[in-house]
Amino acid sequence: DVKVTQSSRYLVKRTGEKVFLECVQDMDHENMFWYRQDPGLGLRLIYFSYDVKMKEKGDIPEGYSVSREKKERFSLILESASTNQTSMYLCASSLPGTSQETQYFGPGTRLLVL
Amino acid sequence: DQQVKQNSPSLSVQEGRISILNCDYTNSMFDYFLWYKKYPAEGPTFLISISSIKDKNEDGRFTVFLNKSAKHLSLHIVPSQPGDSAVYFCAASGFNYGGSQGNLIFGKGTKLSVKP
Repeated sequence: DVKVTQSSRYLVKRTGEKVFLECVQDMDHENMFWYRQDPGLGLRLIYFSYDVKMKEKGDIPEGYSVSREKKERFSLILESASTNQTSMYLCASSLPGTSQETQYFGPGTRLLVL
Repeated sequence: DQQVKQNSPSLSVQEGRISILNCDYTNSMFDYFLWYKKYPAEGPTFLISISSIKDKNEDGRFTVFLNKSAKHLSLHIVPSQPGDSAVYFCAASGFNYGGSQGNLIFGKGTKLSVKP
């Protein structure tokens, strides 16, 4: 079974703080993704990575950065948290190779920015 | 510009009856479609998928139907159970759909409630 873990289930931060969200997968997947989920908006892609040290912007990268120093780990960084970044953050991973790639998700981190 | 649309934000069904969740897409280059199920405060879990070379895929109580000419897919759950109550997301991908290969385009989700 694919296992994707996220460092925290719930986080409360203050406006302006730097926030790190960590994601680890144990299936040697090349692809990793960060999404946020908001009511009525579905899942929106923030950043993704196809390999170590590689990163690509998704649909809503503003206010975020990422780091992929090791294959199994993909970190999402909020440089200066703002209240509009209060959301559910979801990490996913998949194998590359074809367009028919199932993504496997972690349990999510619910972030509240005060 | 939504490429994957789930037009019903919610659906309520009686236990034991059929649940039908619908999804429409606009990009004819999508060739792989997936359904995910999501409980509150948890990550989405993969449910079932279908390739564009098929028109039906079945897994237990779950069946996905694909109508390429209508750019429409549906997820049937028979019989529905209270534990099926969750948000269901439709997603699509493709080799040359115009975005990055391997990325999934998600719909906004449909919240299914199965009443005992």
